[in-house]
Amino acid sequence: GAGVSQTPSNKVTEKGKYVELRCDPISGHTALYWYRQSLGQGPEFLIYFQGTGAADDSGLPNDRFFAVRPEGSVSTLKIQRTERGDSAVYLCASSPFGANYGYTFGSGTRLTVV
Amino acid sequence: AQKITQTQPGMFVQEKEAVTLDCTYDTSDQSYGLFWYKQPSSGEMIFLIYQGSYDEQNATEGRYSLNFQKARKSANLVISASQLGDSAMYFCAMILFGNEKLTFGTGTRLTIIP
Repeated sequence: GAGVSQTPSNKVTEKGKYVELRCDPISGHTALYWYRQSLGQGPEFLIYFQGTGAADDSGLPNDRFFAVRPEGSVSTLKIQRTERGDSAVYLCASSPFGANYGYTFGSGTRLTVV
Repeated sequence: AQKITQTQPGMFVQEKEAVTLDCTYDTSDQSYGLFWYKQPSSGEMIFLIYQGSYDEQNATEGRYSLNFQKARKSANLVISASQLGDSAMYFCAMILFGNEKLTFGTGTRLTIIP
């Protein structure tokens, strides 16, 4: 597709469950980013991939959060033992080389933990 | 650590008028970039304009211009001839060169009144 695709667009899960959020970046973009946007806030950085490797995961809040990008294209953000505080919009972005060349964001996955 | 401050939580502007959205930033680095993004109700973050810290001219993109005052550490967005479709959240963001993380402000909700 032409843009960054995120699925699902909405996810409701029960506290304690495991969830996976998927991001399909723009074809050929080597850099991929995950951000989390809580209600009324700007997005906050979670993790950055260059190719298949996580180059910077300093924004992941704790070890319940993990992300992979095994083939250097699609990425999955995984959250274990979800908590109500994990409720937010999770945004994915990609870039051809790096952030200074501009990000293209997806529309996000709205995660609600009940 | 860098910080972005947007002091206007909400603004109402008459259609066809110009509007200025305020953004101040705080960093001790000399090499950085400043971005403005628009987030409509659909949730996607849309890139509007970019200004590098070494750029001598203020950035312009169609109806958008960035009023960059380096000594005052401000990077205000000016939208000329506002349109109803400009109603959205607007976020100012910063990146340090060599780093891949965008730091966002809390945003300004702009509402254009017919």
